[in-house]
Parts: sequence; structure tokens; C-alpha cells
Amino acid sequence: QLQLQESGPGLVKPSDTLSLTCTVSGGSITSQNYYWGWIRQTPGKGLEWIGSISSSGSTYYNPSLKSRFTISVDTSKNQLSLKLTSVTAAETAIYYCARQGVVTPYNWFDPWGQGTLVTVSS
Amino acid sequence: DIQMTQSPSTLSASVGDRVTITCRASQSISTWLAWYQQKPGKAPKLLIYMASSLESGVPSRFSGSGSGTEFTLTISSLQPDDFATYYCQQYHSSPTFGQGTKVEIK
Repeated sequence: QLQLQESGPGLVKPSDTLSLTCTVSGGSITSQNYYWGWIRQTPGKGLEWIGSISSSGSTYYNPSLKSRFTISVDTSKNQLSLKLTSVTAAETAIYYCARQGVVTPYNWFDPWGQGTLVTVSS
Repeated sequence: DIQMTQSPSTLSASVGDRVTITCRASQSISTWLAWYQQKPGKAPKLLIYMASSLESGVPSRFSGSGSGTEFTLTISSLQPDDFATYYCQQYHSSPTFGQGTKVEIK
């Protein structure tokens, strides 16, 4: 059974860089060239797709977000990562990783990781 | 971005009730729509994809319908485990989510 687990610092200072990792277990991240996505959830903006990456490294980002995000994949560790530079308090959120479909990142999300709460505060 | 608008925002219902949630897209998305259930402190769980296809393991009391810009999620007979928040999500283009519908106990 495929499982995803996010990890990272729970607290980040404003203007710092946030780094999160999603570890995939119960299956290979390279299987069938699935896309893998990051989503965040805030009380104010709800669920927001950040971006997605294929196991071969093709990336797609939400065009509505400023280009401070970087998504990468480490197939040797079966992990994907998210970096966000110059964080602000507005980016305090629960960050989720999830698997999508193949061929395109325009797909549903299933399964999801449990999520990790990131608070941006000095 | 394609905007997704759900109604109502909150719905009060009793066990056994038939419940319908509506999701409207700001432009046509064909049937590129998914529905999720989220309980407090948990990640969203996929219920329906392609507007009407039931995810494996999801009870048959859940059903989805619609195409174009208007979609519905129906719970035929509400069970205690169904009190949660429900979200729609389009994937016609860059994925976007509705704001959620909270189903609470009447």
C-alpha cells in the first residue's frame, strides 16, 4: 500500500527558506512515471496546488503563485522535495504531498500524505 | 485560473438524510472533476474522479454527476462517518479546489 510522509521544520522565520521532504513507501517513485504534487492548506485560501513533478524530473508550477517554489525528486531515496524561498507569515499552512496520475500533472490527487504544519514566525 | 465555487458552505443534516453538494466551475471543464472528503486533522481523501467514477473502497452511497460547469456530489443516506468537509477539484488545467462544504449534524 502506497504511503507518503512529509517532513520538515515546523517553524520557519520570515524571509528564510522552507525545505520539505516527502518520503514515498510501499512503491517506487519511478513507477509508471506518475506525477507527484505538493498542495498546501490555509484557513484563508483553502486548498492550493503548488506544483508537481514527474519521476523523470518534469516540473509544473501553479502560475498564480510567485516563482519562489522549487520541486525536485531524488529517485535513489524515493523522495520528492519542496523549497520555498523568502517565506512570509501568509505561507503558514499545512503542506501535503500526493500522487497524481501519469502523462499529465493535471489530475486528481490520491493518495495524500498526512501533511506537515509549517508556521512562519519570528 | 479556473475558479471553483461550492454551495452551500455549510449544510446541517441528520443521519439518513439525502445530501447534495453543488460545485460550479468558472468555465467548462468537461468531466475533469474530483471530490474529496476531509475530516479534522486528516488529509483529504479521494471519493470521486472523472466527475462520476467512484474510487475503489468508497461506499456506494456516494455518487457524483455533472459535466461542463455544474457538478453535484450526492450522499444517498447520510451516515455518522460522513460528517466532514467536502471539496471539489478541477483538473482541466492547473488544479484548483472549491472552498469546501462542511456537513454538520443537525
